Amino acid sequence: GQQLNQSPQSMFIQEGEDVSMNCTSSSIFNTWLWYKQEPGEGPVLLIALYKAGELTSNGRLTAQFGITRKDSFLNISASIPSDVGIYFCAGRVYSGGGADGLTFGKGTHLIIQP
Amino acid sequence: SAVISQKPSRDICQRGTSLTIQCQVDSQVTMMFWYRQQPGQSLTLIATANQGSEATYESGFVIDKFPISRPNLTFSTLTVSNMSPEDSSIYLCSVEWGLNTEAFFGQGTRLTVV
Repeated sequence: GQQLNQSPQSMFIQEGEDVSMNCTSSSIFNTWLWYKQEPGEGPVLLIALYKAGELTSNGRLTAQFGITRKDSFLNISASIPSDVGIYFCAGRVYSGGGADGLTFGKGTHLIIQP
Repeated sequence: SAVISQKPSRDICQRGTSLTIQCQVDSQVTMMFWYRQQPGQSLTLIATANQGSEATYESGFVIDKFPISRPNLTFSTLTVSNMSPEDSSIYLCSVEWGLNTEAFFGQGTRLTVV
């Protein structure tokens, strides 16, 4: 099956710094989604990307769907304490047979030092 | 936005027993999926819950171990059968209002098998 390589695995940054994380794959994906998960909660959708080359923002978050369809990145500008959590990329390949679930990266654990 | 409720939110179960997890959405959805998140790990798709027919399972997951029901467009259950400590995980319900669109998650069911 498809695999997503997400990096970095963890980030220790100072409040106010910008953050960048990315996901790559050897397979082509048709959809990229970025989620944030906090302890005891389910993943919360941050940004959805549907077209190669698409660049989408959501407040301080910006994500792009790579032109090769094999990668995506997420940037967070001017980090604040509530940005702490685990960020997951997720990709979907359309099988053509109906609904397709998501393949998830292993996550980037973001820790912010005051 | 719609509310996705999972019950129970957590449980501690004896090995050899079974637990049924419920997922209720307050509006009709096109797709429902079940994922597993092992401790400290990413999410893995278990199956697609199909309304009125047998679920579609991913490689490594079988109906005898994880029977799934979806009687209507707002409700699904996942049963973890004959549990062992290796089944200790967070089980998450995911829904989509359109085919291959944004996926939203419930808060998860944290299962511990002793």
